[in-house]
Amino acid sequence: AQSVTQLDSQVPVFEEAPVELRCNYSSSVSVYLFWYVQYPNQGLQLLLKYLSGSTLVESINGFEAEFNKSQTSFHLRKPSVHISDTAEYFCAVSVFLQGGKLIFGQGTELSVKP
Amino acid sequence: EPEVTQTPSHQVTQMGQEVILRCVPISNHLYFYWYRQILGQKVEFLVSFYNNEISEKSEIFDDQFSVERPDGSNFTLKIRSTKLEDSAMYFCASSPPGLVAEKLFFGSGTQLSVL
Repeated sequence: AQSVTQLDSQVPVFEEAPVELRCNYSSSVSVYLFWYVQYPNQGLQLLLKYLSGSTLVESINGFEAEFNKSQTSFHLRKPSVHISDTAEYFCAVSVFLQGGKLIFGQGTELSVKP
Repeated sequence: EPEVTQTPSHQVTQMGQEVILRCVPISNHLYFYWYRQILGQKVEFLVSFYNNEISEKSEIFDDQFSVERPDGSNFTLKIRSTKLEDSAMYFCASSPPGLVAEKLFFGSGTQLSVL
């Protein structure tokens, strides 16, 4: 079975500071990795994903995540956050891309303060 | 931009009552899902639905739960006799054909409160 652990439930940070949201997973088989973001009163939106190839993946709004197989981690980083990045962030894994079953972590609430 | 729509955004019901949560997936999508998140816990997969039948379900999805695509546009989750522990945020999702796990689109959720 697979599991995902997000080590921080809440991360407060000041605007323009760097941030790292941590995600570790457990699986006996290869997995595909995702970060989803949920802005207030909206649905979960795919932020970025790792399927294969380069272990560093980037989103269009400046976030990046690095797949580390030895550490079984997929931490999300941004060098300089904005107020608009305030949201809840969910790490998820899938073992089977043809199916839609995602295993989620608990979520990390990122709060960016001015 | 097309989106998955869920109604209502918040539903309150009495324990033991039946409740139906409604979702309108994106129109050209073929795969449909329900997930839920109990307050303070992880988002959990409940069920996937394709070609008018359940393709996968979790152990949470017992006989109290059912899904239906009644009219080609709506996708519903029915809980026959609600329990206090069914209180949660329920998310509907849909995806187009192909590598569906990388193309899931989620609705904004229905907060179900069972009293």
